[in-house]
Amino acid sequence: GAVVSQHPSRVICKSGTSVKIECRSLDFQATTMFWYRQFPKKSLMLMATSNEGSKATYEQGVEKDKFLINHASLTLSTLTVTSAHPEDSSFYICSARDDIVGSYEQYFGPGTRLTVT
Amino acid sequence: DQQVKQNSPSLSVQEGRISILNCDYTNSMFDYFLWYKKYPAEGPTFLISISSIKDKNEDGRFTVFLNKSAKHLSLHIVPSQPGDSAVYFCAASVGDDKIIFGKGTRLHILP
Repeated sequence: GAVVSQHPSRVICKSGTSVKIECRSLDFQATTMFWYRQFPKKSLMLMATSNEGSKATYEQGVEKDKFLINHASLTLSTLTVTSAHPEDSSFYICSARDDIVGSYEQYFGPGTRLTVT
Repeated sequence: DQQVKQNSPSLSVQEGRISILNCDYTNSMFDYFLWYKKYPAEGPTFLISISSIKDKNEDGRFTVFLNKSAKHLSLHIVPSQPGDSAVYFCAASVGDDKIIFGKGTRLHILP
């Protein structure tokens, strides 16, 4: 089945530094990938839609200069949290849609736990 | 404005019984609905989906019912098993646009 990986699975960084999270579709091509953030006891919040070869589309309230998204190939999207602050600590999850299958379903990565100290 | 609502944050069900998870939505343009299961510290996994042209979809122990007039869908799990204990997210989309998730319902299967 379709597999999406994320790296790293856990990261601890100091306040003010930047952290890059990778999302890869391992056995399918994905023109479109999505980045979510999960808050405790809250829903998965869509942060942005990542489109290969073009700029990401950010949801309202998400700072595009803080959460940099690059979708350089059909199998890789990266999310960089710049100048991280403790309030950025969260669980970040990516998902990808299979271009060939073209279904509505998204395949999710295992998530990345970011802790900013 | 929350377009997909799961009003029960948690639910406890005896093993072997039926688990019923409910979801309401407000956007009448939604035409595809999905249920995801999530364990702690993992990404959600797709469970079952239903198109708005149907009112029922069944896959093994999982059945999703859709009531468009009430803007309501439910996920039935029968019989419930210990491994079903997880957080279940209801989600909806318009065409192949982004998926909107509910807040989730934590299901506890009791021995």
